[in-house]
Amino acid sequence: AQSVTQPDIHITVSEGASLELRCNYSYGATPYLFWYVQSPGQGLQLLLKYFSGDTLVQGIKGFEAEFKRSQSSFNLRKPSVHWSDAAEYFCAVGPPEYSSASKIIFGSGTRLSIRP
Amino acid sequence: GAVVSQHPSWVICKSGTSVKIECRSLDFQATTMFWYRQFPKQSLMLMATSNEGSKATYEQGVEKDKFLINHASLTLSTLTVTSAHPEDSSFYICSASRDNNEQFFGPGTRLTVL
Repeated sequence: AQSVTQPDIHITVSEGASLELRCNYSYGATPYLFWYVQSPGQGLQLLLKYFSGDTLVQGIKGFEAEFKRSQSSFNLRKPSVHWSDAAEYFCAVGPPEYSSASKIIFGSGTRLSIRP
Repeated sequence: GAVVSQHPSWVICKSGTSVKIECRSLDFQATTMFWYRQFPKQSLMLMATSNEGSKATYEQGVEKDKFLINHASLTLSTLTVTSAHPEDSSFYICSASRDNNEQFFGPGTRLTVL
């Protein structure tokens, strides 16, 4: 079955510290991979996505993610977090043949808190 | 570009009434729109997928007679929660996609049923 696992429910890091949010997926083939961010009471904003090519993907707001096929992982990283990064982060997958009508499966989310 | 709006942003209604939520793609034509439901501190669960002019495809366990979806145009989809009950209280989020293989999400609608 297709699934996305975010093992960390809640992470707290100090402002200025580095961040890594974990994401593992289970899929029959290499899926399309996404990271979204959701601020409280808001919709989702796409941070970055991986379809193919370079396995290190750069996104908005200084985020990057690395696709590791051997580990079925797509971890999100940021070298130095800011207080405004406090939010809920969702990893998601779409099918390899992803199109505009394709469904996205979301992970359970990781809540990021920033310590002043 | 690629802005999706939802209206209303929040709504409170009495049990037994129906509530309509609109989802609009403001600056692009959406080939497909999706409706999600999100309970507090939980992930998004896809409710249904809709394409303009055709019937929505509902996910398993979602009552199509309770959650009516109309996709009348390439820029508008509506979700009507019929005979709402307190257990329908949730955060409803729509998304719209176009040819570039990305879903754009609306800001969500908070529904509270008393």
